[in-house]
Amino acid sequence: GAGVSQSPSNKVTEKGKDVELRCDPISGHTALYWYRQSLGQGLEFLIYFQGNSAPDKSGLPSDRFSAERTGGSVSTLTIQRTQQEDSAVYLCASSLPGQTYTFGSGTRLTVV
Amino acid sequence: GIQVEQSPPDLILQEGANSTLRCNFSDSVNNLQWFHQNPWGQLINLFYIPSGTKQNGRLSATTVATERYSLLYISSSQTTDSGVYFCAVNSGNTPLVFGKGTRLSVIA
Repeated sequence: GAGVSQSPSNKVTEKGKDVELRCDPISGHTALYWYRQSLGQGLEFLIYFQGNSAPDKSGLPSDRFSAERTGGSVSTLTIQRTQQEDSAVYLCASSLPGQTYTFGSGTRLTVV
Repeated sequence: GIQVEQSPPDLILQEGANSTLRCNFSDSVNNLQWFHQNPWGQLINLFYIPSGTKQNGRLSATTVATERYSLLYISSSQTTDSGVYFCAVNSGNTPLVFGKGTRLSVIA
């Protein structure tokens, strides 16, 4: 597609459940990024994929968070045993190396 | 890691006024981008400007890399300019580091 697509747009889950968030980047973009934005805050880096290199996981806040990128395209961010502090908007972006980022519309996660 | 500071944190403007937003960063960078997040949460890239000056309509940006700052100018502001403006930087092949943003409200 023409832009970065994220699904679902909204997700409400019960505390303790697992959730999967999906990101479909711009075709041909080798770099893919996940960020998290809590209410009224800036963007917090989570994880970065570049081509076939090992992902940079340095921003993942705990081992409940993981992500994969299959075939160098679609990425899934998984949060296990969700907690209320995981509530946030999860944003995905893609780019060519060193170039401008294009962001998706985000997934608003609410843990109740 | 690189630190990014934006000022002011909040700004209220009358429609038609001009403004300058500032971004300071703590280390040398090879990538600097300005983004606008609209009230619906969508982030739009405004400028890719690691150095120099660029203009796009009523917006322009200048980055002085040697002094580690960038400025975003908004002229003749409109209500549609409202939202949060983020500056983000990186060096090497690392992900962008974002500042906390400037929240702009333009009132008619």
